[in-house]
Amino acid sequence: SQQGEEDPQALSIQEGENATMNCSYKTSINNLQWYRQNSGRGLVHLILIRSNEREKHSGRLRVTLDTSKKSSSLLITASRAADTASYFCATDPKETSGSRLTFGEGTQLTVNP
Amino acid sequence: EPEVTQTPSHQVTQMGQEVILRCVPISNHLYFYWYRQILGQKVEFLVSFYNNEISEKSEIFDDQFSVERPDGSNFTLKIRSTKLEDSAMYFCASLWTATFEQYFGPGTRLTVT
Repeated sequence: SQQGEEDPQALSIQEGENATMNCSYKTSINNLQWYRQNSGRGLVHLILIRSNEREKHSGRLRVTLDTSKKSSSLLITASRAADTASYFCATDPKETSGSRLTFGEGTQLTVNP
Repeated sequence: EPEVTQTPSHQVTQMGQEVILRCVPISNHLYFYWYRQILGQKVEFLVSFYNNEISEKSEIFDDQFSVERPDGSNFTLKIRSTKLEDSAMYFCASLWTATFEQYFGPGTRLTVT
């Protein structure tokens, strides 16, 4: 089954605005993690939210999880040009062992100065 | 701050040649992973490794792939006879069992010509 579909595929905002990215998935999960990837570079871990959590904060990041709707959102507040990157959600499905992650297609965020 | 490292950062090889990609996971992590990302596509799981053996592998991880932890620090991915379609960014990751967060290395860009 396809997991971790993000929307929008691309988002362009002005510096200082908030950016919201959404992720949907299809099967039950242990946790969901968000990553950032600058063009052609590695994946930077942003935040993990467990299946029994509904909201989590880290600095300017706020993640929500709705397991009944199988969806998550990542909010970046007061965005900066340096936040320009691709953002991926990745799920750790209950059906698999060993915490293999299933990634979505990602949202390309552009923050204009 | 501890991080996952990978070498080389870029490898160019001819079709049919063997390549070994190297990773040094974070030292107190016990689960290790390889993922790949074909240009413009999403990150895909290849294999997970725990307690010196493969714990799970995807359908991509066929007989031409192998993994090894030859000593206490290195974790390698070998591709025996590379194909053009193996061209991708290969990421190593390790998991912190206290939180189940997966941390990724910077990747090795493999180009098969």
